[in-house]
Amino acid sequence: DQQVKQNSPSLSVQEGRISILNCDYTNSMFDYFLWYKKYPAEGPTFLISISSIKDKNEDGRFTVFLNKSAKHLSLHIVPSQPGDSAVYFCAASDGGTYKYIFGTGTRLKVLA
Amino acid sequence: SAVISQKPSRDICQRGTSLTIQCQVDSQVTMMFWYRQQPGQSLTLIATANQGSEATYESGFVIDKFPISRPNLTFSTLTVSNMSPEDSSIYLCSVEDPGDANTGELFFGEGSRLTVL
Repeated sequence: DQQVKQNSPSLSVQEGRISILNCDYTNSMFDYFLWYKKYPAEGPTFLISISSIKDKNEDGRFTVFLNKSAKHLSLHIVPSQPGDSAVYFCAASDGGTYKYIFGTGTRLKVLA
Repeated sequence: SAVISQKPSRDICQRGTSLTIQCQVDSQVTMMFWYRQQPGQSLTLIATANQGSEATYESGFVIDKFPISRPNLTFSTLTVSNMSPEDSSIYLCSVEDPGDANTGELFFGEGSRLTVL
């Protein structure tokens, strides 16, 4: 049973436009969420996080929105750049632990 | 932040053999984590390794198949034993944020891509 789902395996966006990556979760105990970016042959790198006490967190071009009632979070990248082309994973944990459940990832391609 | 080095970065292994992956961190950390990413799949936690105690394995993973060592606060190894083609994956070492801010962030190594023939 996949507790964290990224239902879009891939997404293509034109450079300069907004990229929206979505993530759904089933466990209502999850209270901390992370987004990671992964380039080929590299480990995942941290992008942005959000705790369940917030519904939005912003860091430069990256904004994460959390809708607890819908058990849904999304990552917005604006404006999108070709260097953003990568696989994006969302991850969730509960109880303040470092045990994260990861989604299957969405491959973002930003077209120049 | 933390800088994590993994060795080997990739290897091709024969069925039935075992391979040990090393993970070195540039900071002392209490918890180290080993993840697996099978082709087209998400990252799955194999086990949590704390220094001075036995590793804690997640459901579906056992010590006989994935023995882990954690001799000190900056180093860990994961062995994939008696490999089969189903073990072909990227194995990733990860650590908690070593700083005082307790950000909840995980840092990852670059991964070790194993192909089992």
